[in-house]
Amino acid sequence: DIQMTQSPSSLSASVGDRITITCRASQGIGNSLAWFQQKPGKAPKSLIYAASNLHSGVPSKFSGSGSGTDFTLTISSLQPEDFAIYYCQQYSRYPLTFGGGTKVEI
Amino acid sequence: EVQLVESGGVVIQPGGSLRLSCVASGFTFDDYAMHWVRQAPGKGLEWVSLIGWTGSDTYYADSVKGRFTISRDNRRNSLYLQMNSLGPEDTAFYYCVRPSATYNEVFDYWGQGTLVTVSS
Repeated sequence: DIQMTQSPSSLSASVGDRITITCRASQGIGNSLAWFQQKPGKAPKSLIYAASNLHSGVPSKFSGSGSGTDFTLTISSLQPEDFAIYYCQQYSRYPLTFGGGTKVEI
Repeated sequence: EVQLVESGGVVIQPGGSLRLSCVASGFTFDDYAMHWVRQAPGKGLEWVSLIGWTGSDTYYADSVKGRFTISRDNRRNSLYLQMNSLGPEDTAFYYCVRPSATYNEVFDYWGQGTLVTVSS
């Protein structure tokens, strides 16, 4: 199975900050990488697919990059609604696997 | 508007069986493959199973293979997950997920989830 490792596992930031979350795959996955946002008590929400493509309706303050084994999610100008847990996921091979999550706290 | 509504989550004893359902609306259900993804309370996400749009192709995580069966009824716009030989490790929120129209592996829409608790 492909292992996905996110860092950091948590981070503290302030409104207006720019943050970056890293995701590393245990083997090359091309650009088959997605990002999800999950708020407390809610289902995950799809943000990004193919490493850098925003799902419909996702604001442009979210951006993704990377290919192969190393990927990043950047959120520019954090707003209160952005404080959540973020997960990466590879869909290059089955079983589909997720990173452990990054909790973004105030 | 795409909607996915899961149901069937309960408290059940170890060794028991349970069937989860997901009713879809707002899109042509039989045009899409469908997934189940689960999340133990306070933990991360785990992909469980995929079914193709016809229902003939199915895939499972090793952790549930041989115990869970995914199925669908396209006439009823419904997805199912039959869960047998349940253990405490199966305690989780179970989410129904619709992928994109182009790639079965790109998750697009998530249901709100249904909680299965396996406990004596």
